[in-house]
Amino acid sequence: GNSVTQMEGPVTLSEEAFLTINCTYTATGYPSLFWYVQYPGEGLQLLLKATKADDKGSNKGFEATYRKETTSFHLEKGSVQVSDSAVYFCALSPNNAGNMLTFGGGTRLMVKP
Amino acid sequence: DTGVSQDPRHKITKRGQNVTFRCDPISEHNRLYWYRQTLGQGPEFLTYFQNEAQLEKSRLLSDRFSAERPKGSFSTLEIQRTEQGDSAMYLCASSPGGLPNEQYFGPGTRLTVT
Repeated sequence: GNSVTQMEGPVTLSEEAFLTINCTYTATGYPSLFWYVQYPGEGLQLLLKATKADDKGSNKGFEATYRKETTSFHLEKGSVQVSDSAVYFCALSPNNAGNMLTFGGGTRLMVKP
Repeated sequence: DTGVSQDPRHKITKRGQNVTFRCDPISEHNRLYWYRQTLGQGPEFLTYFQNEAQLEKSRLLSDRFSAERPKGSFSTLEIQRTEQGDSAMYLCASSPGGLPNEQYFGPGTRLTVT
């Protein structure tokens, strides 16, 4: 079946540090890949997406590249801010009729001033 | 566009009671999904609707759970004879269908069973 594995948190960084959150997946075929973010007390928000190999999704300074050969979709940001503190979820959609999302366990990011 | 809304935001109930949650999707979205999220975990799929038809249910959805989407608009999720293990955040999402099927989530309903 489909699965998503994320690095465990929490990840603690100082403001302006470089961020990488690793995500690898297992799926048949060519799924679409997503990163969602959950700020404290809020619902899940779509951060970025990629639909095919070598696609790069980007939003709000965050980037992730769909790597078919390594089945990965790592999230990166060059300079984090305190306001980026949240839980980040990697997810895949199998591009079949149902297209329900399979999520990783989430990675909590804490950015200190 | 007011986004996906869910009601109530919090529900505390005693074991054995029935509870019902409501989800109002983004108006032009024909797909509606229910997920469950426990503390420290990612959301897990429960069921989804295309318009008013319930097309798939997860094995997580026991016989005590039932979902409806009359007229293809809002949806309800009912849990009968609640158990302490049902305590979780229940998330609703909607999407316009097609690919890549971006899903937009509501704020969730947090259920606590005492």
